[in-house]
This record gives sequence, C-alpha cells and structure tokens, in this order.
Amino acid sequence: DAKTTQPPSMDCAEGRAANLPCNHSTISGNEYVYWYRQIHSQGPQYIIHGLKNNETNEMASLIITEDRKSSTLILPHATLRDTAVYYCIVRVEGDSGGSNYKLTFGKGTLLTVNP
Amino acid sequence: DARVTQTPRHKVTEMGQEVTMRCQPILGHNTVFWYRQTMMQGLELLAYFRNRAPLDDSGMPKDRFSAEMPDATLATLKIQPSEPRDSAVYFCASGLVHRVGGYTFGSGTRLTVV
Repeated sequence: DAKTTQPPSMDCAEGRAANLPCNHSTISGNEYVYWYRQIHSQGPQYIIHGLKNNETNEMASLIITEDRKSSTLILPHATLRDTAVYYCIVRVEGDSGGSNYKLTFGKGTLLTVNP
Repeated sequence: DARVTQTPRHKVTEMGQEVTMRCQPILGHNTVFWYRQTMMQGLELLAYFRNRAPLDDSGMPKDRFSAEMPDATLATLKIQPSEPRDSAVYFCASGLVHRVGGYTFGSGTRLTVV
C-alpha cells in the first residue's frame, strides 16, 4: 500500500524555486520522511530526510507540517539538471526485524525544469 | 565521494542463459539492497541483506533468481535461466542500518534478454 501521495508531474522555470509536495497522512511517530530523486538513466540519489523539524542541506530544504501529515521539498533555485523524478518515502530507522526497514518507492513526481 | 559499483553496466543475453550481476557496496556499509526497475512496475525491491545475511528476498522470483553476499565487498544477483520478462535495470544500494541517513545507489545494470 502506498504510504505517500505525490502529484505525477510538475513544471518549474529555471532559476525559480521548485516546491514539491507530498502527503503522508498515515505516518507513524517514528517514521522519517525521505526524499530521493532519479535523473534519467541513473540510480536514485538521496536528497534529504527529516523527522519533524525542517531540514536544509546543500541540495534542498524539507518543510514538514506540524502534524507531520505532509511535507514539501524545496529546490531554491532550480536548474535544468534538476529535471528528474522525485520520490517521497516514509520509513523508520534502524532494523527491528520487521518490514519497516524497506525503502519503498512509489511513482514519484516528474519535475521538469524549463529554460 | 564513495560509490556503489555495479558490473556490468549493460548486458544482452539470450533467453535461457545464466546472468550474474555484481555489486561492490561502499566499504563499511552493512546493508545491501537489490532493486529492479521497469517502466511498468517502477522500482521494485528484490532482496535485502544485513551484515551479509539475507533478511528478505520476498520480492524475488525464487525459482530463477538468487542473491548472495560471499563477502562484505561483493553482492551478487543471479538469474538462471533468464527470460525476456527479466529485461530491466537492476540497482544495488548500500547503507548503514543503525545510522539515520540515506542509502547510496549504484548506476545499475541494464539487462536485455532476447
């Protein structure tokens, strides 16, 4: 069962901020929100993750709502090289021996950055 | 930057032949995943290893697929016999299970079975 919901596609102008939404209304208290992206013909690439606080790194910012039921990945100044499929994933950390370690990819959002 | 290395990058084989794909995880990583990606199914988890032990291979067709980690520097995915429906890109990923953070994926092996 899908644990996250993302729009299938989005467009963004080069140089502008790209805001990619993700709904994860059934997220558990110990589940992190992860974002990966996959540029055409490459393996998925880790971007950022968070639990409940907003996070920022050199690639992007992650904004998680207070109720943790949704989040937004922000690419502050999108470039043509940011055109990719972006995946939002929720999972626990560590390994309790169950199935919650799995990194399960949905269909993601195809972000197209236009010149 | 440390990388996950997969070989071969491309493989074309005839139906019925054995195929072996190899993955060198990042040194020190204790978890390894195998994924398969097709246009129709997207990214599917095939197998998961922790400390070289297979913990979950429920995503793998058991009759023809096998995954092993003969040592900490090598993971293999074997298909015998191969079928045209196995044509896909196979990705390996490695990480540390007890550290919060992302997994690193390799560049994949593009398999074509004719």
